[in-house]
Amino acid sequence: GAGVSQSPSNKVTEKGKDVELRCDPISGHTALYWYRQRLGQGLEFLIYFQGNSAPDKSGLPSDRFSAERTGESVSTLTIQRTQQEDSAVYLCASSPRLAGATVEQYFGPGTRLTVT
Amino acid sequence: AQSVAQPEDQVNVAEGNPLTVKCTYSVSGNPYLFWYVQYPNRGLQFLLKYITGDNLVKGSYGFEAEFNKSQTSFHLKKPSALVSDSALYFCAVRDLNTGFQKLVFGTGTRLLVSP
Repeated sequence: GAGVSQSPSNKVTEKGKDVELRCDPISGHTALYWYRQRLGQGLEFLIYFQGNSAPDKSGLPSDRFSAERTGESVSTLTIQRTQQEDSAVYLCASSPRLAGATVEQYFGPGTRLTVT
Repeated sequence: AQSVAQPEDQVNVAEGNPLTVKCTYSVSGNPYLFWYVQYPNRGLQFLLKYITGDNLVKGSYGFEAEFNKSQTSFHLKKPSALVSDSALYFCAVRDLNTGFQKLVFGTGTRLLVSP
């Protein structure tokens, strides 16, 4: 596709349920990032994938959060036993890898998660 | 740790007037700085970046940013604001503490351009 896509665009779930969010990066982009944006706040880094390297999971807020990516394709972010404080917009971004360069990230439209 | 600060939650400007959205940074080493814009219900869009070279960086939609090393600032500017520029603007710095190209974002500044 032309850009980063995310699904679903909106998700309402009950507290305690598990949710899975999906991100399709731009074709050929080796790097993929997940961020969380709470209402009225900035972006909070969650996790980063770069090719087949070990992901940087340093931003995951708890062990209820996990993410997977197979190769350089789709990524899924899973939140287990959702809590109300998990309500936020979850943004995915991808970027190409250019050795020695600092490149911009391309963002998807986000998934708005509401935990009731 | 690398960080950026956006001291203004909101900036109001009349259409046709110049606008400035402020950003200051704190990094160890050379800063790699970015501006992104977020329109309602949309993802972030890249505006411009400073890596090295000229202190005045030109970007999309007529925006530019001035890198000032002595003031550790990277303010976003536009000579003549449009109502359609109303959006949420984020400053970001590349986190050089990791080998990854992770960005650290500011809290955002809402720009409101009135007709």
